[in-house]
Amino acid sequence: EVQLVESGGGLVQPGGSLRLSCAASGFTFSTYAMYWVRQAPGKGLEYVSAISSNGGTTYYADSVKGRLTISRDNSNNALYLQMGSLRAEDTAVYFCARGLKLATLDYWGQGTLVTVSS
Amino acid sequence: QSALTQPPSASGSPGQSVTISCTGTSSDLGGYKYVSWFQQHPGKAPKLMIYDGTQRPSGVPDRFSGSKSGNTASLTVSGLQAEDEAVYYCSSYAGNNVFVLFGGGTKVTVL
Repeated sequence: EVQLVESGGGLVQPGGSLRLSCAASGFTFSTYAMYWVRQAPGKGLEYVSAISSNGGTTYYADSVKGRLTISRDNSNNALYLQMGSLRAEDTAVYFCARGLKLATLDYWGQGTLVTVSS
Repeated sequence: QSALTQPPSASGSPGQSVTISCTGTSSDLGGYKYVSWFQQHPGKAPKLMIYDGTQRPSGVPDRFSGSKSGNTASLTVSGLQAEDEAVYYCSSYAGNNVFVLFGGGTKVTVL
């Protein structure tokens, strides 16, 4: 059974940093692209970032470029999102998701809440 | 780049059908086959219902169907059931610069 479990969310001050993790199991992690998608409270889904199966290629939404960094550890079946220079508008539930094919997200974790507030 | 355009709400009685539209441009939805639909219940993770515009993942009831014409994709839910009440999102590949676009979501209410 495919499982994705996010962790690392919490309350952080504006300008602060946070590292999100996503533990994957039930599939061959190293053969799939992975994604981060966020959802602000009461709002819709917003693509954040994607990473290729070997970690060699990364993609970012313009709203996070230069502040967030996606990475992965295929030996430990883990996906990461290093978040810096956080702003109030980054407040959201952050989901990790598996990429079935290009821009197609077939399994999602339950999400981890990041709150940016002083 | 702007999000894909979806109507904010749709509704139908049990057993009826409801169709949700998702409109983009030739640079995103109209230019690629990678169109997906997701169902999200309150407090839950999104669930993939349709991919490649028309394909159903294993386990998704055949009451859910997708189509695409030009810059518009559609999701039809036939034989509406109470558990179909949820928010539905479309998404599309939008080229390597933008990568993924989502629609704003459509809340489906079963009357």
